[in-house]
Amino acid sequence: EDQVTQSPEALRLQEGESSSLNCSYTVSGLRGLFWYRQDPGKGPEFLFTLYSAGEEKEKERLKATLTKKESFLHITAPKPEDSATYLCAVRPRNTDKLIFGTGTRLQVFP
Amino acid sequence: NAGVTQTPKFQVLKTGQSMTLQCAQDMNHEYMSWYRQDPGMGLRLIHYSVGAGITDQGEVPNGYNVSRSTTEDFPLRLLSAAPSQTSVYFCASSSFSRVRVRNEQFFGPGTRLTVL
Repeated sequence: EDQVTQSPEALRLQEGESSSLNCSYTVSGLRGLFWYRQDPGKGPEFLFTLYSAGEEKEKERLKATLTKKESFLHITAPKPEDSATYLCAVRPRNTDKLIFGTGTRLQVFP
Repeated sequence: NAGVTQTPKFQVLKTGQSMTLQCAQDMNHEYMSWYRQDPGMGLRLIHYSVGAGITDQGEVPNGYNVSRSTTEDFPLRLLSAAPSQTSVYFCASSSFSRVRVRNEQFFGPGTRLTVL
């Protein structure tokens, strides 16, 4: 069964304290892995797509990496405005569906 | 471009009532989908469509109907609302390809539905 697990469920960081969010997946062939950011009361906002092991993408303080079993979202020197829920999703090879994890709720305090 | 729009933003129903959640996109996307989001459950796919006239079931389709008569619109119908359908509903759209392309999904702002 295709599955996505995100950890930790919640993470509190002080401003400037770098950390990583994990997304572990089990799929019958990976067509793509997606990272989204979701602010309270809003829809998810696309961040990155990764397709193959070893691939990396960067955007400002965020860097996403991919292995054959998991993806990491590295946050370098976070700021309070990085506070949000970060969602991971996978698209298995033989389906047109996206499967989402339950997300990591990140709080960055000054 | 307005992107993905959803109406209404909020809705309260009584058990047994029916209603339609509207979703529209102006990006000429082939792929559209409906998700529900519940605390601790993440986003779960209800129904999706890869083009006008084509729909398919997702993970949690029971109690919901969809149709896709145009590229732009993808309404979600609740046939007989139940308290278990209390949730936040998101519509999303993307370009569509079965090969390796970007095709990230763009989400609407959501509809908060309460069924009493």
